[in-house]
Amino acid sequence: GEDVEQSLFLSVREGDSSVINCTYTDSSSTYLYWYKQEPGAGLQLLTYIFSNMDMKQDQRLTVLLNKKDKHLSLRIADTQTGDSAIYFCAERWAARQLTFGSGTQLTVLP
Amino acid sequence: KAGVTQTPRYLIKTRGQQVTLSCSPISGHRSVSWYQQTPGQGLQFLFEYFSETQRNKGNFPGRFSGRQFSNSRSEMNVSTLELGDSALYLCASSHPTNTEAFFGQGTRLTVV
Repeated sequence: GEDVEQSLFLSVREGDSSVINCTYTDSSSTYLYWYKQEPGAGLQLLTYIFSNMDMKQDQRLTVLLNKKDKHLSLRIADTQTGDSAIYFCAERWAARQLTFGSGTQLTVLP
Repeated sequence: KAGVTQTPRYLIKTRGQQVTLSCSPISGHRSVSWYQQTPGQGLQFLFEYFSETQRNKGNFPGRFSGRQFSNSRSEMNVSTLELGDSALYLCASSHPTNTEAFFGQGTRLTVV
């Protein structure tokens, strides 16, 4: 069945880059997503990548996709304290539902 | 452009009662999906509605149901509430092309 895995915690210093990793098992995934959740809030769509792409850059965010290894990463450049949140990766095949990872708690230290 | 609106934001119910949650999607979006978020199980898909029809359903008991109206607004209902139903219920809306899903702030349901 479908499974998406992420490490639970990541701490970085303010100004450094953060790299959050994700692996998935469904090779038929069409789109892969990154969402951010702050305390008490819903999910904010950060970016997504189509499965035939290797990389996508959007301001401070860079998404890398290694389809052979089924590995997705999100790099946040110049990480700020406001980036502290839980980051979820998710995959979707065709018009089906999103399948989420367990989330990575990013803590940005001053 | 208004985002996805979920009401109410917080709800406390007693075991055995039923509850109805509401979701108004982004204007022009016809697909509405519901997810349950708990610390133990994470984010789990409940169901998806498109043009008033249930298109997909997750692995939840029949106590969980939903519907969608002609204006694309959706409601989900949970009957005979159990303590384990305490969760954040999130609604997401998508354009018919279905590439991006935008979430509301969620309804925090506490069952006591």
